[in-house]
Amino acid sequence: GENVEQHPSTLSVQEGDSAVIKCTYSDSASNYFPWYKQELGKRPQLIIDIRSNVGEKKDQRIAVTLNKTAKHFSLHITETQPEDSAVYFCAVAGGADGLTFGKGTHLIIQP
Amino acid sequence: DAGVTQSPTHLIKTRGQQVTLRCSPISGHKSVSWYQQVLGQGPQFIFQYYEKEERGRGNFPDRFSARQFPNYSSELNVNALLLGDSALYLCASSLYLAGGYEQYFGPGTRLTVT
Repeated sequence: GENVEQHPSTLSVQEGDSAVIKCTYSDSASNYFPWYKQELGKRPQLIIDIRSNVGEKKDQRIAVTLNKTAKHFSLHITETQPEDSAVYFCAVAGGADGLTFGKGTHLIIQP
Repeated sequence: DAGVTQSPTHLIKTRGQQVTLRCSPISGHKSVSWYQQVLGQGPQFIFQYYEKEERGRGNFPDRFSARQFPNYSSELNVNALLLGDSALYLCASSLYLAGGYEQYFGPGTRLTVT
């Protein structure tokens, strides 16, 4: 089955700096790559996604890049703000087996 | 515009008991998926239903079962509860079969098995 590795497990950045979270996957047939943000005690919230026919997608301060050849994708957050503090999960889908999630990155924004 | 809803919010059960969790998808969505999230981990896929049929199953024992109703709502059943079943159970709603479509999560049901 699909295997998703996510790094780093914890990331601490100064407010206003950029944060980058990286994921790799194993199944070359996977074609959908969403990112979720989960605040403590709340549901995972879809923040951005990308499909295999696109290399990059941007939504305001958030961007995702995909390298299908290398089987890795990354989340980029620019001009970080205190409200960006949360756990971020990457996920991968390729068929009817639902999403396979990474283990999560705890993003800490230092004031 | 209601999002995904789940009930109950919290549940405490004893080992060996059975539990039923409920989910209502976003209006117009036809696919429901269930995930188990253990503290400190990412959600793990249990089932996916689309048009009332099981379309995918994760690596969970047969004690876990689910169904989807004609109104697209869904139930997850867990029999013979074990301590290790304690987790947040999340339901996700998707417009179509969820492989390449956005999945939106409900608030979850926190199950504690004692």
